[in-house]
Amino acid sequence: AQSVTQLDSHVSVSEGTPVLLRCNYSSSYSPSLFWYVQHPNKGLQLLLKYTSAATLVKGINGFEAEFKKSETSFHLTKPSAHMSDAAEYFCVVPTGGNSGYALNFGKGTSLLVTP
Amino acid sequence: GAGVSQTPSNKVTEKGKYVELRCDPISGHTALYWYRQSLGQGPEFLIYFQGTGAADDSGLPNDRFFAVRPEGSVSTLKIQRTERGDSAVYLCASSPRTSGFTGELFFGEGSRLTVL
Repeated sequence: AQSVTQLDSHVSVSEGTPVLLRCNYSSSYSPSLFWYVQHPNKGLQLLLKYTSAATLVKGINGFEAEFKKSETSFHLTKPSAHMSDAAEYFCVVPTGGNSGYALNFGKGTSLLVTP
Repeated sequence: GAGVSQTPSNKVTEKGKYVELRCDPISGHTALYWYRQSLGQGPEFLIYFQGTGAADDSGLPNDRFFAVRPEGSVSTLKIQRTERGDSAVYLCASSPRTSGFTGELFFGEGSRLTVL
């Protein structure tokens, strides 16, 4: 079964500094991978997705992620954090293969942005 | 509204009671999903509907949990004989279709269930 591991439960950065949220995946083949964001009192929202096209994927709000097969990683980055980026971030992989419909979420990384 | 709507937003009940949680998906979305998110955890898949039928209910934890979608739109998640361990946020999501799955689900804000 495909799964993801988010390496940090909490990350704290200063406004204007880079963001790195780490995710490793476990799969017997190159999976589709996603990052979702959950702001307080808001629904989960798709941030970006990798589906075996370009390995560097750009998402909304200046975030991007790079698929590295050799490292089985899909880390989320942003060059400069903004206060509004404070949220819970989930690395996600479909279950049952890339045509699957259920999503397997990581445990999440809480991003704190300080002034 | 244009998004996925879930009611109630908060529900407090006593152990052993019956609870219904409602989800109104985005109009035209044929696929509907229920997830459960416990404190400090990521959402866990419960059940998926394609149209009126439950295509996969493998995530339902036991037979106290049941979900229906009789007309292919609104869905209700039903929990019988609630237990304290059922306390969580129940999330509903919808998507236009599942063929060529894109990974993009549209989530509601959830129903927070507290079982005392």
